[in-house]
Amino acid sequence: NAGVTQTPKFRVLKTGQSMTLLCAQDMNHEYMYWYRQDPGMGLRLIHYSVGEGTTAKGEVPDGYNVSRLKKQNFLLGLESAAPSQTSVYFCASSYGGRSSQETQYFGPGTRLLVL
Amino acid sequence: AQTVTQSQPEMSVQEAETVTLSCTYDTSESNYYLFWYKQPPSRQMILVIRQEAYKQQNATENRFSVNFQKAAKSFSLKISDSQLGDTAMYFCAFMGNNAGNMLTFGGGTRLMVKP
Repeated sequence: NAGVTQTPKFRVLKTGQSMTLLCAQDMNHEYMYWYRQDPGMGLRLIHYSVGEGTTAKGEVPDGYNVSRLKKQNFLLGLESAAPSQTSVYFCASSYGGRSSQETQYFGPGTRLLVL
Repeated sequence: AQTVTQSQPEMSVQEAETVTLSCTYDTSESNYYLFWYKQPPSRQMILVIRQEAYKQQNATENRFSVNFQKAAKSFSLKISDSQLGDTAMYFCAFMGNNAGNMLTFGGGTRLMVKP
């Protein structure tokens, strides 16, 4: 199993450009998440999904959109990139529910630089 | 909203010695989960240990153990017999009783293990 994978690993954008980050998981997880990590800080939740076709806002959703058309994929879109969106983006997934084994598994991250 | 505080931005320890990382949190909930994640220079987020609030017994995973003080809302991580590979950022995270099992992260502690 590959676990959680993210594409691309690194990207440079100009202000105003758009792009889509792809997250894929092969663990049949119901829940998926997008976080951003800024220098010297912990992760902050952007958007999340509790199942195919559903999405919800997290702590810092402005400037981002997401889609979960397939259970294994969770896409993060930036319609008009801004320098404030320069960050490292992490995707995560989990089984969902409130079992004692509920744990989020993270992808390797995507480093995004907006000039 | 829950908050997670890690009051030690940086720490260092000699190889083979023991170090304790601090974490406090604020919540009005009684049923929740707490986690410690490790982020080495590779940026990959790796689960170290988890604790369920309704369990009084402190969780342990090999050289890693926690001191969970529910009344004080404290959740410290003890690393015994520190190894060079333990050098990383460590993040404390809280999962409350929310619909998406969302995690709230602390700001992190950078741990350096010295030879």
